[in-house]
Amino acid sequence: DAGVIQSPRHEVTEMGQEVTLRCKPISGHDYLFWYRQTMMRGLELLIYFNNNVPIDDSGMPEDRFSAKMPNASFSTLKIQPSEPRDSAVYFCASSMVWGTSPFFGPGTRLTVL
Amino acid sequence: AQTVTQSQPEMSVQEAETVTLSCTYDTSESDYYLFWYKQPPSRQMILVIRQEAYKQQNATENRFSVNFQKAAKSFSLKISDSQLGDAAMYFCAYARLLSNTGNQFYFGTGTSLTVIP
Repeated sequence: DAGVIQSPRHEVTEMGQEVTLRCKPISGHDYLFWYRQTMMRGLELLIYFNNNVPIDDSGMPEDRFSAKMPNASFSTLKIQPSEPRDSAVYFCASSMVWGTSPFFGPGTRLTVL
Repeated sequence: AQTVTQSQPEMSVQEAETVTLSCTYDTSESDYYLFWYKQPPSRQMILVIRQEAYKQQNATENRFSVNFQKAAKSFSLKISDSQLGDAAMYFCAYARLLSNTGNQFYFGTGTSLTVIP
């Protein structure tokens, strides 16, 4: 298996633009997580899905952030409009069952100018 | 390529005892950060401790300390006086410094720690 795949790996955009981050979890994994990593706040859980259904989105910072999982093999995290404070590394992770170690993707480094 | 290896998928420790979680990494960089994260059942990732590669002194946070061996590329976490609340998954992570554009993080596969009452 190729592991968790994220795209793009790097994204540079201007304030106010829409940004879409993509994730392909490992096949057969029922849980998908989106994390945001910054040096100041560490790794924050934004939202997670179970069997394509959002379970807990309490970590989503505000209405500018939205996430979808239309099928078992694809998820998106959208920021609209983007702001400089959204600059961070965004990780997608997946796991097979609750309580097992998630596999992390390589992350998307987002820079909002 | 940078890789982070945690060779212990599971560890257990008696309450009040000390346990050490191991982590090794591979890099050709001289300047970087190393982290230990704790992930409890809530799935949140909690930063436990951070070490800058240029610092020779091992980082310490209360009951948590690291043994950073730069030449050996080893970064182990020691938990003293283990408590039931320490039970969690622990991830070792490496961050490569990238000029003005932030950092790239690499995570190990995690070590599940059980604390026995």
